[in-house]
Amino acid sequence: DVKVTQSSRYLVKRTGEKVFLECVQDMDHENMFWYRQDPGLGLRLIYFSYDVKMKEKGDIPEGYSVSREKKERFSLILESASTNQTSMYLCASRDRGAGNTIYFGEGSWLTVV
Amino acid sequence: AQRVTQPEKLLSVFKGAPVELKCNYSYSGSPELFWYVQYSRQRLQLLLRHISRESIKGFTADLNKGETSFHLKKPFAQEEDSAMYYCALSGGGTSYGKLTFGQGTILTVHP
Repeated sequence: DVKVTQSSRYLVKRTGEKVFLECVQDMDHENMFWYRQDPGLGLRLIYFSYDVKMKEKGDIPEGYSVSREKKERFSLILESASTNQTSMYLCASRDRGAGNTIYFGEGSWLTVV
Repeated sequence: AQRVTQPEKLLSVFKGAPVELKCNYSYSGSPELFWYVQYSRQRLQLLLRHISRESIKGFTADLNKGETSFHLKKPFAQEEDSAMYYCALSGGGTSYGKLTFGQGTILTVHP
């Protein structure tokens, strides 16, 4: 079974803090993604990574950065958290050999106060 | 640019009634279309994809390139179908692998 693990399920951070959201997958997938999920807006792509040390901006990259130093780990970084970044963050990885199927983590609820 | 539109935020039906969740897309090439589902307190998971032409949990979806639609249908809804449903599109070329989601539709099936 593919496993995508987001280490923090619930976080509360203060405005201006630097926030790290970690994601690990155990299936040697090359592609990994970060989305945020907001009511009425669906899932919006923040960043994705084709492979180690490779990253591409998604649709809403402003205020975020990412790191992919190892194949299994994809980190999302909020350099200076703001209240409008309060959201559910979903990490995903993709199996290129299985019809483009994407597997999601359970999500990280981030509240910025 | 690729875009997915789900016009209904909420959809309510009674058990046993047919259900159709609408999805329209915008993409200039040949897209891959998917439906994902999120049940309460569970992670988002793949329901079906158009290239497989399969039926999962009684749901089917047909890609209509003329109308740029990929509506999800089930002839007889069940209470356990209550969930959030997302339509998604994966493009090709430079955007290969980028999966764009719609806004989602919350389906509630009443007993």
